Amino acid sequence: DAGVTQSPTHLIKTRGQQVTLRCSPKSGHDTVSWYQQALGQGPQFIFQYYEEEERQRGNFPDRFSGHQFPNYSSELNVNALLLGDSALYLCASSATMTGNNGYTFGSGTRLTVV
Amino acid sequence: QKEVEQDPGPLSVPEGAIVSLNCTYSNSAFQYFMWYRQYSRKGPELLMYTYSSGNKEDGRFTAQVDKSSKYISLFIRDSQPSDSATYLCAMTGGTNAGKSTFGDGTTLTVKP
Repeated sequence: DAGVTQSPTHLIKTRGQQVTLRCSPKSGHDTVSWYQQALGQGPQFIFQYYEEEERQRGNFPDRFSGHQFPNYSSELNVNALLLGDSALYLCASSATMTGNNGYTFGSGTRLTVV
Repeated sequence: QKEVEQDPGPLSVPEGAIVSLNCTYSNSAFQYFMWYRQYSRKGPELLMYTYSSGNKEDGRFTAQVDKSSKYISLFIRDSQPSDSATYLCAMTGGTNAGKSTFGDGTTLTVKP
């Protein structure tokens, strides 16, 4: 049973560019959340998608946007990249919107902005 | 001040030791509490989740929640070198339903 799959695993972008990260949730999960994890810190909530709509959003600027497809997979888009956007981007899926029973995380996409 | 505080360590123990990992929090609306383990260059892996106050045991792991003190703990018995990782606490509930708030993690090394 495949868990959460993220692509690409690593990415190097230049300041000002745009990036798209992709996620396929665990089988049976319909809710996808995205988190940003800076080095030495815990994951920070970006947003959550359920039924193809953004349901919750954390304290991130609107340069961060997303999408969920009918097959529950999701994309995270970041525009006008800043050096501070360098981080590990984690996709997490759950069987419920609340996530009260925890998430299944992917291995992440390591984004480096130069 | 962060909503969830976690001692970053690092924590180093000999194999077989009992390990205690802790988090404190400030938001009384949190009702669901999770512990994740994260190996280097990997995503977090859910170890345990609990609801409200009380204890929960799963093999060598025991999670405790004291809502009156806003304090949660994870105990690892008979620690193994394979337990060496970063441990993250997370919590959700109330208006935060759907978005977990994480601590910054405690790095644990278990020496053979």
